[in-house]
Amino acid sequence: NAGVTQTPKFRILKIGQSMTLQCTQDMNHNYMYWYRQDPGMGLKLIYYSVGAGITDKGEVPNGYNVSRSTTEDFPLRLELAAPSQTSVYFCASSYGELGTGVHEQYFGPGTRLTVT
Amino acid sequence: AQSVTQPDIHITVSEGASLELRCNYSYGATPYLFWYVQSPGQGLQLLLKYFSGDTLVQGIKGFEAEFKRSQSSFNLRKPSVHWSDAAEYFCAVGGNNNDMRFGAGTRLTVKP
Repeated sequence: NAGVTQTPKFRILKIGQSMTLQCTQDMNHNYMYWYRQDPGMGLKLIYYSVGAGITDKGEVPNGYNVSRSTTEDFPLRLELAAPSQTSVYFCASSYGELGTGVHEQYFGPGTRLTVT
Repeated sequence: AQSVTQPDIHITVSEGASLELRCNYSYGATPYLFWYVQSPGQGLQLLLKYFSGDTLVQGIKGFEAEFKRSQSSFNLRKPSVHWSDAAEYFCAVGGNNNDMRFGAGTRLTVKP
């Protein structure tokens, strides 16, 4: 049971390039999340998904896109990388039921992205 | 939307001393409260959670937290800190929506 896995661990992008951050979980969780972590700012929610085919914006969605075609995978796409997207990105998953609140989240190890 | 404040950016304690990390939340209904720990270069690990019931909750690694509705607080405590507890600690609040909000974190340094 690997939990939540993320690839790559590190990446350097040039301004304007695009890339996809991969996230996979093997716990059969229906909810999945993408966060970014900037120094002194805690975690900010980018996008989340409550199940395959359903995604929604979080606090800071601009510049990102997501898709959820399977329960296991939740990739995050950066289309035109900007220096403001330099951050550490965490994927998380949890069990959840609509209207009953968020259960504890299980986090991946993170992807450190630098845009120059 | 809910929000979380962790008033202390950085705390230093001596090994063996007691620890209290503060967390204040804002949410109009009963919150779901969490404490996570993050070691350098790692993801976040759940220490403990409060959903309902007993307001004093026990977690892993000897940590506990107390939910005080009147003070909108969920402070984390440990009676005797170990050097391995040095890390960053995040308080988080969730509600009857699909959103989880994290505090900015408190970095704990443990002196020998």
